[in-house]
Amino acid sequence: EIVLTQSPGTLSLSPGERATLSCRASQRVSSTYLAWYQHKPGQAPRLLIYGASSRATGIPDRFSGSGSGTDFTLTISRLEPEDFAVYYCQQYGSSPLYTFGQGTKLEIK
Amino acid sequence: QVQLQESGPGLVEPSETLSLTCTVSGGSITSYYWSWIRQPPGKGLEWIGYIYYTGSTNYNPSLKSRVTMSVDTSKNQFSLKLSSVAAADTAVYYCARTTGGRYDYWGLGTLVTVSS
Repeated sequence: EIVLTQSPGTLSLSPGERATLSCRASQRVSSTYLAWYQHKPGQAPRLLIYGASSRATGIPDRFSGSGSGTDFTLTISRLEPEDFAVYYCQQYGSSPLYTFGQGTKLEIK
Repeated sequence: QVQLQESGPGLVEPSETLSLTCTVSGGSITSYYWSWIRQPPGKGLEWIGYIYYTGSTNYNPSLKSRVTMSVDTSKNQFSLKLSSVAAADTAVYYCARTTGGRYDYWGLGTLVTVSS
């Protein structure tokens, strides 16, 4: 099983600042099958990034993804108030077919 | 805009079978894979399995012996049954559309508590 470890567990920043979230895999992950999601309480999770670096439909360009192999990063260039949420990375391809990171909580400082 | 809505009992007794349905609106259930994912309180997300609109399935090996999924294309719905539930199965259960190894649409989730 591929384990995805996200860091930090909690990130405290202010609006306007840059956020850098990390996702490290225990084994190599195909970039094609690495995704990031945003989850706010009481809402459905939202796909942000797929294929490690492609933005999903309607996602603002302040969100970007990068990385390959075992190290992936989600960057939010300038935080807006609505960006404070929990973020998950997810991989597809290894048994079990889909696994998620434990999440990074992005909170207002 | 595709929308998914989970429905089913919020309370299930231990050893019984958990049954949930996901209704898809704003798009057809055909030509896609449809997944169930759960999140126990205070824990991470866990993939339960997926079903293709043709009825073919793939389940998480850790749950395979207890999981059954089905699809009803005439109603644009797919369903989950999880047998012999225990307290560890208490979780928010999500349904989601699956494409290219990712989940592009999710339901809001429904909390299922296993308790007598």
